[in-house]
Parts: sequence; structure tokens; C-alpha cells
Amino acid sequence: NAGVTQTPKFQVLKTGQSMTLQCAQDMNHNSMYWYRQDPGMGLRLIYYSASEGTTDKGEVPNGYNVSRLNKREFSLRLESAAPSQTSVYFCASSITGTGGRQPQHFGDGTRLSIL
Amino acid sequence: QKEVEQNSGPLSVPEGAIASLNCTYSDRGSQSFFWYRQYSGKSPELIMSIYSNGDKEDGRFTAQLNKASQYVSLLIRDSQPSDSATYLCASNQAGTALIFGKGTTLSVSS
Repeated sequence: NAGVTQTPKFQVLKTGQSMTLQCAQDMNHNSMYWYRQDPGMGLRLIYYSASEGTTDKGEVPNGYNVSRLNKREFSLRLESAAPSQTSVYFCASSITGTGGRQPQHFGDGTRLSIL
Repeated sequence: QKEVEQNSGPLSVPEGAIASLNCTYSDRGSQSFFWYRQYSGKSPELIMSIYSNGDKEDGRFTAQLNKASQYVSLLIRDSQPSDSATYLCASNQAGTALIFGKGTTLSVSS
């Protein structure tokens, strides 16, 4: 049982390059999320998808785009990477979305460095 | 802005002691609360959830919720060096995704 799978695990980009982070879950969850985690800042929500076909902005959406490709997959795209986007990115999923009692389950993360 | 607040620590306790981790939240509409453990370099792992006022016990862990005071806590009994990690408190508020605190770092010395 893989749970939430993120690819790649590590990536180094140059400023201005573009990149898509991939996330897939095999738990038949309806909701999926992208977070970034920086030292001292905790987990900050970038975008989320409460259900297939919907996406909403989180706390820090600038510089990112997302696609909910199907129920299993939710990708995060950096169109023009900036050093401020150096971070650890986590994808998560939950059975239901907002306000529910269902916790989120996290992938292993992608460690992204922008030079 | 809806917030979840935690003392960043570090909280240092000797092996075998009780570790007490605290969390406050700003939105009275919050309905569900979760504690995650995150080891250095790893992803957050769910350890407890609580929805009603009072205590909920699971092994060495006890979560406590007081909605009137907007306060959530996690007690770890018989703390072990393997409990050394960052503990994240999160609340599930109507109309939003989980809101996370910045985490409290726990260090258990042997």
C-alpha cells in the first residue's frame, strides 16, 4: 500500500527554469493538498483540491499553478522558479476536504533547491 | 486570520518523564484537531485526533481538548529518546483545509 507518492524526491533547478512536481494517491481520497515547509515557518498551504475538478488557493499560491489531473493525481507547477521557492514540498490527501474529521496523509516530500 | 499557535521549544525532558505539548487556536468554529509527529528530514505522521471536549488516550499518548479555552494539548507518558521529534498541532475549520501550527520540538534525553 503506497499511500501518497511524490516524485521526484530531490531536484535542483536554476532560476527561471520550470518544473512540475507530481503527486499520486492510491487511497481513493477525494481531497488533495500541496504544502511547503520552510525552517521556522511550519507547513504552509499552497493549493488544495477538495474534489476532482476543483482547485482553490491556499495561504501562499503566488508563483505556483496546480492541476487535478484525475482523482488520484494532483500536480504542482513552478513556471519560473525563484530562489525564494527553495523549500520542502509535501503533498497530502484526505477522504473528505474542509471541515471534516478526516486527517490528512502525507507523502515523503520533494526537496527542491533553486540556484 | 485563523491561526494555530504552538511554543516552538525546544522542550527537553528526561527519559521516563511526561512531556506536555500545548496548542491554542483562534477560530471557535474549529471542529477537529490533530497531532502529527515529524522526525527530522521526514514527513508528518498522524499520531492522534480529537473532536470532543475531554481526554482521548492511545497507548502512551493522551490528547486533551478544551473548546471553551480554545486549547489542545498532547501528553506523552514514559517519554523515550525515540519520541524526540517536532510535534505539529492542526485544526480543521469549516470552509478551509487543515491549519497547522509551526510545531514544538521535543528532545528526550537518556
